Amino acid sequence: GAVVSQHPSRVICKSGTSVKIECRSLDFQATTMFWYRQFPKQSLMLMATSNEGSKATYEQGVEKDKFLINHASLTLSTLTVTSAHPEDSSFYICSAIPGAANSNQPQHFGDGTRLSIL
Amino acid sequence: GNSVTQMEGPVTLSEEAFLTINCTYTATGYPSLFWYVQYPGEGLQLLLKATKADDKGSNKGFEATYRKETTSFHLEKGSVQVSDSAVYFCALSDQPSGAQKLVFGQGTRLTINP
Repeated sequence: GAVVSQHPSRVICKSGTSVKIECRSLDFQATTMFWYRQFPKQSLMLMATSNEGSKATYEQGVEKDKFLINHASLTLSTLTVTSAHPEDSSFYICSAIPGAANSNQPQHFGDGTRLSIL
Repeated sequence: GNSVTQMEGPVTLSEEAFLTINCTYTATGYPSLFWYVQYPGEGLQLLLKATKADDKGSNKGFEATYRKETTSFHLEKGSVQVSDSAVYFCALSDQPSGAQKLVFGQGTRLTINP
């Protein structure tokens, strides 16, 4: 149980386009989801906390107009990289927490999306 | 703020060797500590955790003990296998379940040769 699915797993697109990444909790509802970014051979950096029905909370240094997060349902959060440029190329990973906010449940991670901007 | 420091990799071992990956942390209060594993092209999987001092987390032959006096949570395995090749992340959280923000170390890439 507690499966988190990300789609697409890999995307290559031209500079200037916008890319949407989906994060779905397949067998549970999640009020809270997190979005991470992982640079090659580096650790995961938390980008934002996404709460269903409210605005995402972004970490310091993350451009909210660049990385749009929508969490419109209890099973789906989306991350849209707007006007993507080569420096946005990275591995993006989401995680979801079963249940309500502050449910004291562990985070379950998706398999990640590798974004390459040409 | 909270931070996690892991030993630098990559680490390369032969099958059946003993493994230690060092992890130390800096935190206010009493964080919970975690080890996550990331296989190639995949997301993270929780390997083990400990929520208070002197707790030992264990799973799949791996273990780590929460040492408050040395602020450490070193990962060990007595006999590694090729299938253990992955990147290992040490992490901490203010919540026992890791529900709140996770702070990750830089990761240690482990390669096990047959």
